[in-house]
Amino acid sequence: EAGVVQSPRYKIIEKKQPVAFWCNPISGHNTLYWYLQNLGQGPELLIRYENEEAVDDSQLPKDRFSAERLKGVDSTLKIQPAELGDSAVYLCASSLMRTTYNEQFFGPGTRLTVL
Amino acid sequence: QQQVKQSPQSLIVQKGGISIINCAYENTAFDYFPWYQQFPGKGPALLIAIRPDVSEKKEGRFTISFNKSAKQFSLHIMDSQPGDSATYFCAAGASGTYKYIFGTGTRLKVLA
Repeated sequence: EAGVVQSPRYKIIEKKQPVAFWCNPISGHNTLYWYLQNLGQGPELLIRYENEEAVDDSQLPKDRFSAERLKGVDSTLKIQPAELGDSAVYLCASSLMRTTYNEQFFGPGTRLTVL
Repeated sequence: QQQVKQSPQSLIVQKGGISIINCAYENTAFDYFPWYQQFPGKGPALLIAIRPDVSEKKEGRFTISFNKSAKQFSLHIMDSQPGDSATYFCAAGASGTYKYIFGTGTRLKVLA
């Protein structure tokens, strides 16, 4: 079974430029998460989708960050414009919503460097 | 109240030794406590998890000890191996919220 796929794996951009990250969850997983992981820190939830609906986006900085999950499968996270402080690893995870204690499966992440 | 405090920040253990990582939480609504293992350049992977209806769970060399009254839980890695060298994260979640709060991580190095 293929795991969570993310691309690109690495991205270097100048500040104020836009950037987008893509995630393909495990087949059949209806819940998708985007996390931010700063260096030396644990992941912090940005947004959670149940199918195509964003059910928890309280931690997403909506002035510059946006996300979508069309058709309830793949998802894209966008930053526009990027700032120096956005340099981090962006992790995508997926799980089956119907399990009581949902095991979250993480992708390898996209490491963003903003210059 | 949403924080999960993890210690130590880093840990060096000799091969064959016991590695112990501790976590503490405040929110009594938390009822699921997973541990994740992360290698450099990889995403976190579930290692072992516990619910508060048991005080201990063992899977191979990995054991979680849970103290509900103290709101603390710990990961014990027995017979630590160099291949265990990674960053370990504890987390806590409340059923129905599908949201984990992660600790800050412990970087473990096992010396050969």
